[in-house]
Amino acid sequence: ELKVEQNPLFLSMQEGKNYTIYCNYSTTSDRLYWYRQDPGKSLESLFVLLSNGAVKQEGRLMASLDTKARLSTLHITAAVHDLSATYFCAVVPNNNDMRFGAGTRLTVKP
Amino acid sequence: DSGVTQTPKHLITATGQRVTLRCSPRSGDLSVYWYQQSLDQGLQFLIQYYNGEERAKGNILERFSAQQFPDLHSELNLSSLELGDSALYFCASSHRTSGGFEHYNEQFFGPGTRLTVL
Repeated sequence: ELKVEQNPLFLSMQEGKNYTIYCNYSTTSDRLYWYRQDPGKSLESLFVLLSNGAVKQEGRLMASLDTKARLSTLHITAAVHDLSATYFCAVVPNNNDMRFGAGTRLTVKP
Repeated sequence: DSGVTQTPKHLITATGQRVTLRCSPRSGDLSVYWYQQSLDQGLQFLIQYYNGEERAKGNILERFSAQQFPDLHSELNLSSLELGDSALYFCASSHRTSGGFEHYNEQFFGPGTRLTVL
């Protein structure tokens, strides 16, 4: 059975600090996606990672993919309050349907 | 704005009733997905349609059904509603006929329909 596990599920951090969210998946997937969801809102696509070693950055967020380890990371640099949201990773096993992790609820405190 | 539209935005109804949620995918997208998001269950995949045909089924109850019409819009029908069906229901679309490989499977989400069953 396919598993997509995010760690941690809840993260409270102070502004200005750095932290990493991890996404492990149990089957082969040649791409990985990160989404952001604000409370009560829809999911917004952040990154698409297509190959082993792929790294993408947008502002204070940087995502990377290691397909051999079946691991993706979402690194937050110098967190600000606006980054408070729930972050989901998702994989596409065997070119089938996207499967989501449980989400990491991030709270950035002043 | 993802280009995916959903109606209605909010729906309040009573137990035992039946409701229909509607989704219009992004222009050119062939696939429509339905998800249920509740506080205790997270984001649950319900069902996918591709170009009018059912392609994949997730944790969809027998009381729920969906279809995709020739114009590619989709409807999710929820019947014999229970209190536990209260949730956010999202539609997403993907598999655009044009565009690159990178975004082929990427799902774009609509704003959701918040269903409250009283």
